[in-house]
Amino acid sequence: AQSVTQLDSQVPVFEEAPVELRCNYSSSVSVYLFWYVQYPNQGLQLLLKYLSGSTLVESINGFEAEFNKSQTSFHLRKPSVHISDTAEYFCAVRRYGGATNKLIFGTGTLLAVQP
Amino acid sequence: ETGVTQTPRHLVMGMTNKKSLKCEQHLGHNAMYWYKQSAKKPLELMFVYNFKEQTENNSVPSRFSPECPNSSHLFLHLHTLQPEDSALYLCASSQDEIAGGLGNTGELFFGEGSRLTVL
Repeated sequence: AQSVTQLDSQVPVFEEAPVELRCNYSSSVSVYLFWYVQYPNQGLQLLLKYLSGSTLVESINGFEAEFNKSQTSFHLRKPSVHISDTAEYFCAVRRYGGATNKLIFGTGTLLAVQP
Repeated sequence: ETGVTQTPRHLVMGMTNKKSLKCEQHLGHNAMYWYKQSAKKPLELMFVYNFKEQTENNSVPSRFSPECPNSSHLFLHLHTLQPEDSALYLCASSQDEIAGGLGNTGELFFGEGSRLTVL
């Protein structure tokens, strides 16, 4: 069975500083990996995803994540955060192929950007 | 118009009330989901429908009753809820429930949620 671990429940950071949100997963088979973002009082929105190919994937608002198969990680990074990046970030994994499969979410990391 | 629409956005109900949450998707998807999001807890998958058939009931109490009349609409009927049922209920859809098909990554598209408060 797959599982997702987000070790940091909250990450405080100052505006314009870099940030890394950690995500580790466990799975014995190939997976798709996702980062979702949830702004206050809203639903989840897809931020970026890894399907195959290049291990570095980017979002339109400056976030990037790198798939590291040997470390089973998919950490999310941004070199310079803005106040508007304050939100909860969820890492998720889904098994590729096979029978019915569920999207497994981590517990979320609250990114709190301070001025 | 957003891809997945949930109504109402906010609902307050007493423990003896009967109410329903509605979800509608305009993405042509075949799978729809209900998730519960409580403070300081992981997202909990409640129900999954694929091509209008329920494929998952994650040990949800019977006071929650889902209904999926077609692939575009999903309801969650609520009856005799408890205060601990207060949460954000999120609806989602995907192309279908099985990831790995051509062009099908199993990505979920979420609505904005219905904030439920049970008094």
